[in-house]
Amino acid sequence: DGGITQSPKYLFRKEGQNVTLSCEQNLNHDAMYWYRQDPGQGLRLIYYSQIVNDFQKGDIAEGYSVSREKKESFPLTVTSAQKNPTAFYLCATGSGSNQPQHFGDGTRLSIL
Amino acid sequence: AQKITQTQPGMFVQEKEAVTLDCTYDTSDQSYGLFWYKQPSSGEMIFLIYQGSYDEQNATEGRYSLNFQKARKSANLVISASQLGDSAMYFCAMREGRKRGSTLGRLYFGRGTQLTVWP
Repeated sequence: DGGITQSPKYLFRKEGQNVTLSCEQNLNHDAMYWYRQDPGQGLRLIYYSQIVNDFQKGDIAEGYSVSREKKESFPLTVTSAQKNPTAFYLCATGSGSNQPQHFGDGTRLSIL
Repeated sequence: AQKITQTQPGMFVQEKEAVTLDCTYDTSDQSYGLFWYKQPSSGEMIFLIYQGSYDEQNATEGRYSLNFQKARKSANLVISASQLGDSAMYFCAMREGRKRGSTLGRLYFGRGTQLTVWP
């Protein structure tokens, strides 16, 4: 099936630990995005990538890092510098400018 | 300044009635697109409807229609004949036009409206 796969579905982070959220797509879309969702705040853009080996910071990039070595993959690392990482993280892909973004099912990250 | 404003944190509607969810946007671009998404409690984001800034007619998709008032910069979602399964969070989003030298632009999301449909 074509789509976006995020893993894991639930993730727990210990104090001082880096964790990586996976996002894989087989839609052949050039653009990929990472959003963070907190209750009452909607979706906030963390990072996005429009082509392989290139990415841009979004509105809340501090404490996060990404890579885009392959078109299909856009992993997000939540570093220990992110002091409040508990949130729901959504990965999305995009194609044409009049086309909707497609979303994965999300990863819920909590602190132990 | 907020690019997308959704002023209704929560809305309630009785089954089979119509409901309007408000969305206003802020852009100086002439070319832009407006999107509505539904997010059930399970968390996935479901695309509902799209309106381009140059589209002369309001977009419709089944029971969903978009009341696009360009001069007022408003893009309200109308859901007709509400169903219990429509209970969810609804997000309005905007993509501005492509800038010189850039490829696909980002989306700006509002904070959402929680819709509850009661029997």
